[in-house]
Amino acid sequence: GALVYQYPRRTICKSGTSMRMECQAVGFQATSVAWYRQSPQKTFELIALSTVNSAIKYEQNFTQEKFPISHPNLSFSSMTVLNAYLEDRGLYLCGANHGTGQLYFGEGSKLTVL
Amino acid sequence: QQKVQQSPESLIVPEGGMASLNCTFSDRNSQYFWWYRQHSGEGPKALMSIFSNGDKKEGRFTAHLNKASLYVSLHIKDSQPSDSALYFCAVSKGTGNYKYVFGAGTRLKVIA
Repeated sequence: GALVYQYPRRTICKSGTSMRMECQAVGFQATSVAWYRQSPQKTFELIALSTVNSAIKYEQNFTQEKFPISHPNLSFSSMTVLNAYLEDRGLYLCGANHGTGQLYFGEGSKLTVL
Repeated sequence: QQKVQQSPESLIVPEGGMASLNCTFSDRNSQYFWWYRQHSGEGPKALMSIFSNGDKKEGRFTAHLNKASLYVSLHIKDSQPSDSALYFCAVSKGTGNYKYVFGAGTRLKVIA
């Protein structure tokens, strides 16, 4: 079956430091990967959509300078939160798609900023 | 910009009862509709999709779509305590652009 592994599951970092998270698709080819942030109130914000062989598209309020994303092949994507501050806390989710429209989500990487 | 709204915010149903979750969207070009369920401490998992107007039944779950009314719903028959979770409606405009906008969720609690 199609699975998405995401790690680390949780990170506590000091204000101003960075956190890198990784997303691995198993059992299918992730032609596109969407990175979301789920707030403590559980609402979703789309950060960016990465499609193989296309430029990564960032949503308003999110930039490559702050959330650089790498999607080097059909099974792996990573995103870094640079200079994390309190407003960056939340559960970061990667949703991978293989052309069916269904997003397979990992369990998320929870970021706590002190 | 697409707006997806869900109601109610929370819902309590007795075990064996019917749970009805509602979702409205704003973009008439929306084509793909998914319901996701998220248990505490886990990532969201896809429950079912619906792409055509009408009803779609999968086991105890029935989704209903009315694109003209910008409305999609999920009904859970014979609700079980294990159905207690956050339910999200996710809407996308079409193939090649799997940019999903999520609603704020409905928290369902099924009490025995």
